[in-house]
Amino acid sequence: QQQVKQSPQSLIVQKGGISIINCAYENTAFDYFPWYQQFPGKGPALLIAIRPDVSEKKEGRFTISFNKSAKQFSLHIMDSQPGDSATYFCAATANSGYALNFGKGTSLLVTP
Amino acid sequence: GAVVSQHPSWVICKSGTSVKIECRSLDFQATTMFWYRQFPKQSLMLMATSNEGSKATYEQGVEKDKFLINHASLTLSTLTVTSAHPEDSSFYICSARTGGDEQYFGPGTRLTVT
Repeated sequence: QQQVKQSPQSLIVQKGGISIINCAYENTAFDYFPWYQQFPGKGPALLIAIRPDVSEKKEGRFTISFNKSAKQFSLHIMDSQPGDSATYFCAATANSGYALNFGKGTSLLVTP
Repeated sequence: GAVVSQHPSWVICKSGTSVKIECRSLDFQATTMFWYRQFPKQSLMLMATSNEGSKATYEQGVEKDKFLINHASLTLSTLTVTSAHPEDSSFYICSARTGGDEQYFGPGTRLTVT
């Protein structure tokens, strides 16, 4: 049973545009929500993460928006670049010491 | 960020043989390491949670006698695929948890069983 639902499955954005990926969860015990970026043949790399005590976190071009009441969170990539083309996974966990529950991933293609 | 390495990065073995994959945290001590399996164009599937000095906890459906996990030190965990078969061919990735929230992933090991 997928505990974190991610959409869209794939996304095409023009260079300079905003990429938005959404995730939703049901387990209210989740208290840590990271996003990972994965290139083909590589391991996932931690991009940015948020805890539910804040509604937004920004690091460079990457922003997480978090809606605790709706149990949703999203990743916004501003000024998307071709080098951002990768698969993005959202994840969630409770108490941080437990394993991550991953979404199914979003394949992002940024066209020149 | 913290660095996690895996060795080997890819391995080809014959059916029936065993393969060992190492996962190391290079610049931090990891009390907990996780092993994942990933099929092409799919998400990561947790196989087991490994705590230093204790037996690994396997997810439902993962054969513990087939996927042997040893977490001998705070910087090293190993996954041994025993009597490998072609259906075990996959991308195996470990992650290590720092003392805080973050989990950092290794670069993965591509296993092909012929």
